[in-house]
Amino acid sequence: QVHLQESGPGLVKPSETLSLICSVSGGSISSDYWTWIRQSPGKGLEWIGYMYHSGGTDYNPSLKTRVTISIDKSKNQFSLKLSSVTAADTGVYYCARDRYDSGMDLWGKGTTVTVSS
Amino acid sequence: DIVMTQTPRSLSVTPGQPASISCKSSQSLVHSHGKTYLYWYLQKPGQSPQLLIYGVSNRFSGVPDRFRGSGSGTEFTLEIRRVEAEDVGIYYCMQTIQLPFSFGPGTRVDVK
Repeated sequence: QVHLQESGPGLVKPSETLSLICSVSGGSISSDYWTWIRQSPGKGLEWIGYMYHSGGTDYNPSLKTRVTISIDKSKNQFSLKLSSVTAADTGVYYCARDRYDSGMDLWGKGTTVTVSS
Repeated sequence: DIVMTQTPRSLSVTPGQPASISCKSSQSLVHSHGKTYLYWYLQKPGQSPQLLIYGVSNRFSGVPDRFRGSGSGTEFTLEIRRVEAEDVGIYYCMQTIQLPFSFGPGTRVDVK
């Protein structure tokens, strides 16, 4: 059974870069779309972006200048980097597997990130 | 950007009774090839969201058949035929036809 697990610092200082990793176990990362979504009280669920198995990416235009999603197939994990963070980036960050038109069928448990000095 | 709206924003239902949630999109979610990119997710208390319905009306594996999705174009509905205690949580609709993909604000369902 495939499981996703987010990891990374729970506290990031303003203007620094938020870095999270999603580890995929029980299955290969060599297919499907690998997605990051966040949830904050002020903005609900927000789609951040995804990387396709082929290496292409799509990002939310509102975050595009600050976000990078990458895949490390050798470690079966994918990552999120969000630069120049502010308090508005505080929230729970989820990784998920998107089977394109079949929806996001697997989600990690989420990791809470707080942006504060 | 496509804006997703949901009504009602909260719902309190007696177990065994039906429930219905409406989702509307600001633009059509129908692709030129005919597929409609509308999904429903449920976030149970303390959990991450889980997929219920994809492509408007297709139940994800393991989702009970008391859940039914319907609709077309810009108007969609999620119906729960007979609500059970385990159905409590926040229901979100989501579109993936156009970037940025977007969620509705959610409908909180609780059981009386």
